[in-house]
Amino acid sequence: EDKVVQSPLSLVVHEGDTVTLNCSYEVTNFRSLLWYKQEKKAPTFLFMLTSSGIEKKSGRLSSILDKKELFSILNITATQTGDSAVYLCALKAAGNKLTFGGGTRVLVKP
Amino acid sequence: NAGVTQTPKFRILKIGQSMTLQCTQDMNHNYMYWYRQDPGMGLKLIYYSVGAGITDKGEVPNGYNVSRSTTEDFPLRLELAAPSQTSVYFCASSQGQESNYGYTFGSGTRLTVV
Repeated sequence: EDKVVQSPLSLVVHEGDTVTLNCSYEVTNFRSLLWYKQEKKAPTFLFMLTSSGIEKKSGRLSSILDKKELFSILNITATQTGDSAVYLCALKAAGNKLTFGGGTRVLVKP
Repeated sequence: NAGVTQTPKFRILKIGQSMTLQCTQDMNHNYMYWYRQDPGMGLKLIYYSVGAGITDKGEVPNGYNVSRSTTEDFPLRLELAAPSQTSVYFCASSQGQESNYGYTFGSGTRLTVV
């Protein structure tokens, strides 16, 4: 059974800090790993990672995948209060289904 | 483009009642999914469909049914509501296995069973 574990469960930082979120996984037939940001409502797509060692960046957010060690990290630099959200990691295996981790709740204080 | 539209946004059911959560997408996506999210948890897959007329169970299908008569619509049916089905339900769609954009999610339906 595919499994996704995220850590930490939650964290509180101040504006300007850098945060690193972790996602480890177990999978039989890996296709890709995705990161989502969830505020009040539906998750919104951030990144899709398929290859090891290639960093994806979008503004202050970046993510990288290590397929040998079976983990991914999501970095947020110079955090802002608008970054407060739950960040979800999801694994796409055969059949196009996503298996989600439990999420990391990030609170950025002014 | 409306994307993925879910109705209703909120609903309170009594134990044993039935209801259908509606989901429609206008992006001509073949793949559609139903997830539930319990408080403080990630999303768990209930059912999914890879095209009209084809559905399959996900991780937590018990107590639910689905149908996919058209590409656009993927309703989720609860036959005998139970308190354990209190959750937020998300419908999602995707282009297919090689999509680079993950899923498109609806805004969710918050269901309370009392």
